[in-house]
Amino acid sequence: EPEVTQTPSHQVTQMGQEVILRCVPISNHLYFYWYRQILGQKVEFLVSFYNNEISEKSEIFDDQFSVERPDGSNFTLKIRSTKLEDSAMYFCASRGLAGGYGANVLTFGAGSRLTVL
Amino acid sequence: SQQGEEDPQALSIQEGENATMNCSYKTSINNLQWYRQNSGRGLVHLILIRSNEREKHSGRLRVTLDTSKKSSSLLITASRAADTASYFCATSGITGGGNKLTFGTGTQLKVEL
Repeated sequence: EPEVTQTPSHQVTQMGQEVILRCVPISNHLYFYWYRQILGQKVEFLVSFYNNEISEKSEIFDDQFSVERPDGSNFTLKIRSTKLEDSAMYFCASRGLAGGYGANVLTFGAGSRLTVL
Repeated sequence: SQQGEEDPQALSIQEGENATMNCSYKTSINNLQWYRQNSGRGLVHLILIRSNEREKHSGRLRVTLDTSKKSSSLLITASRAADTASYFCATSGITGGGNKLTFGTGTQLKVEL
């Protein structure tokens, strides 16, 4: 079964450092997402990406965050200068074309745990 | 309260019993979905119910939706130890092409042998 893969599975970084989290979505999917989950809390939407541009972003997704699809297969989340409160599990997700029963169903990766010290 | 709140927050049952989790939301929706998350892992889609549907079944899962009360329930029948996980409802709004899902706070289900 196709899956979304994320790397690294766990990253530890110092406050103020840049971090790049990588995702390989399902190959024929066109919509891509980043969510995060602070330990013990709900899953929060960060950003959605379609047709090589951001289609929607939350208040969490400030200027410190950016996304990129550099080569048609990878989808990355960059945090320019990490803060302690950025410590969380970051989930990438993707979905297929609009329309149809399964269109709005997201396939999630296993997550990248980010620990900021 | 926030969009997508589940109750109970935690539920502990014996294997073979049924588990019922509830979800309430605030805004109009296109559809509502339930996802499962095993500890430390990603979310896995379980079932989707559209706003014009009232009930949906999939295997041991039964989902109901009451748009007048803005609530949904997930019933897992004949639970197994392997059903132990966190369960989240997620709503897809009417605007924006249903682009994003807004997740609830989750119910932690523990099924004991």
